[in-house]
Amino acid sequence: NAGVTQTPKFQVLKTGQSMTLQCAQDMNHEYMSWYRQDPGMGLRLIHYSVGAGITDQGEVPNGYNVSRSTTEDFPLRLLSAAPSQTSVYFCASSYSLQGNQPQHFGDGTRLSIL
Amino acid sequence: SQELEQSPQSLIVQEGKNLTINCTSSKTLYGLYWYKQKYGEGLIFLMMLQKGGEEKSHEKITAKLDEKKQQSSLHITASQPSHAGIYLCGAHRGGSNYKLTFGKGTLLTVNP
Repeated sequence: NAGVTQTPKFQVLKTGQSMTLQCAQDMNHEYMSWYRQDPGMGLRLIHYSVGAGITDQGEVPNGYNVSRSTTEDFPLRLLSAAPSQTSVYFCASSYSLQGNQPQHFGDGTRLSIL
Repeated sequence: SQELEQSPQSLIVQEGKNLTINCTSSKTLYGLYWYKQKYGEGLIFLMMLQKGGEEKSHEKITAKLDEKKQQSSLHITASQPSHAGIYLCGAHRGGSNYKLTFGKGTLLTVNP
């Protein structure tokens, strides 16, 4: 069982470049979300989705876009990378929409913006 | 947003010692989750607490949610080097608001 798979694991970008962070889960989970983890800031929610075709903003959505065309995939797009977006990004998914099931996390993507 | 305060921020203990990590909220916790993260890796789910006074254990780790549902503690008995890592608490508001808010984490070091 693969769980939540994130690619790439590491990435270095130049300011202004765009890229997509991939996230896929094979557990048929309806709920998926993206977090960023920064020193001293903890995990902060960027965007989330409660099902295919439905997305919403989290705490820090600026500079990021998401889409959910299938239940399995939830890519995160950086439109024009900025140094402030240097971070570790985590994708998570869960079965229940009522918050009584744990979220399963991927191993993260470590992103550096030069 | 629901703020979660974790204490201590970091902790160094000798192998075999007991320790406690706290997670405090300014609002009622409808669901409290404990995760462990090793450096450079993802988050591993440990336990979930929902009811006031609830207590759960897994191996040498015990988590409790107080009666008022505003504070949770994570207790490790007879710590081992394998317990080292970052412990994070996360919570949601309940109902249909399922977005998780996380504390900033507690870095645990266990010296052999």
